[in-house]
Amino acid sequence: EAGVVQSPRYKIIEKKQPVAFWCNPISGHNTLYWYLQNLGQGPELLIRYENEEAVDDSQLPKDRFSAERLKGVDSTLKIQPAELGDSAVYLCASSRGGTGYQETQYFGPGTRLLVL
Amino acid sequence: DAKTTQPTSMDCAEGRAANLPCNHSTISGNEYVYWYRQIHSQGPQYIIHGLKNNETNEMASLIITEDRKSSTLILPHATLRDTAVYYCIVNFNKFYFGSGTKLNVKP
Repeated sequence: EAGVVQSPRYKIIEKKQPVAFWCNPISGHNTLYWYLQNLGQGPELLIRYENEEAVDDSQLPKDRFSAERLKGVDSTLKIQPAELGDSAVYLCASSRGGTGYQETQYFGPGTRLLVL
Repeated sequence: DAKTTQPTSMDCAEGRAANLPCNHSTISGNEYVYWYRQIHSQGPQYIIHGLKNNETNEMASLIITEDRKSSTLILPHATLRDTAVYYCIVNFNKFYFGSGTKLNVKP
């Protein structure tokens, strides 16, 4: 079974530029998560999708961050414009979904963003 | 919002058992205990989870106290490849990772 796929693995941009990250979850997984991980800290949830619906986006900075999951499969996380403080690792995870409570999440390798 | 307490770091000799403790004194009855680990530059990897009973799989064992206020992850024969940050997570519908325990396995 293929794992969670993320691209790109690394991205270097200048501040004020836009950037997008892509995630393809494990086949059959209905729930998709985006996490932000700063250096030396654990991952923090940005947004959770149940199929196409964003059911928890309370931690997503909506002034510059946006996400979409069209057709309820793969997802894109966008930052526009990027700031220096956005340099971090962006992780995508997926789980089977449908239970409405804690499920085992499987993570992708992450996208490491550096904003100059 | 982390509901767990873990030591910042631990050392373990290669080939010995690594016992990683986690305190979750405010755990609710329907909350599972999950353990993940993160090796440098990789995404978190699922290890094991449990509710009340002790659990074992090919990677590790999970011992949960009877009152469920603490747990221990056991890696029975640690190798150098087990060097990682280990996260203990307790929550009903959202994972809070905290800072985890940095396990250093030494030759």
